[in-house]
Amino acid sequence: GNSVTQMEGPVTLSEEAFLTINCTYTATGYPSLFWYVQYPGEGLQLLLKATKADDKGSNKGFEATYRKETTSFHLEKGSVQVSDSAVYFCAPTNNSGGSNYKLTFGKGTLLTVNP
Amino acid sequence: GAGVSQSPSNKVTEKGKDVELRCDPISGHTALYWYRQSLGQGLEFLIYFQGNSAPDKSGLPSDRFSAERTGGSVSTLTIQRTQQEDSAVYLCASSLNRRDRGRADTQYFGPGTRLTVL
Repeated sequence: GNSVTQMEGPVTLSEEAFLTINCTYTATGYPSLFWYVQYPGEGLQLLLKATKADDKGSNKGFEATYRKETTSFHLEKGSVQVSDSAVYFCAPTNNSGGSNYKLTFGKGTLLTVNP
Repeated sequence: GAGVSQSPSNKVTEKGKDVELRCDPISGHTALYWYRQSLGQGLEFLIYFQGNSAPDKSGLPSDRFSAERTGGSVSTLTIQRTQQEDSAVYLCASSLNRRDRGRADTQYFGPGTRLTVL
């Protein structure tokens, strides 16, 4: 099955700093790749996704590019805001056995942005 | 529109009791998933329903866990003879499952049910 290695937190940044959260995965075939975010006291929300190699997912200033050659899907944002403080999860699908729907989650990275 | 809803939001039970957790998926979504979020194990897949197909139960941790989906909509996750290690947040998600050339659909998550087993 798949495994996900996600940069461990916590990560603490000042407002307007550059953010990178690394994510690498092992998979067979062509998984779809997702970043989910969990804001304090809220449920999991989709942040962005990419479903084929070299696709770039983007949302709310965040970006991640599907890199098949390095099996990576690093999350970046050029200028973080206090409201970006949350836990971020990298989640490729586990597409073994012909399925492509089980999400395999990383351990999550807690981001705190200070004003 | 309405998102995925789950009930109850919190459940406290005594060890050995049975519990039922409910999930109402987004209307029109044919795929439904259960996950578990615990401190020790992170987020884990439990079970997947798609239409009338046999569910994928490969993530259920033991035979004390079972799930049903009635009428292709509402789902119930049942845990029998609860143990303290079952304490976790149980998350339900749904998706359209359009099966677009094998690419996965976005899963939309509910707020979860926090289960505490004393």
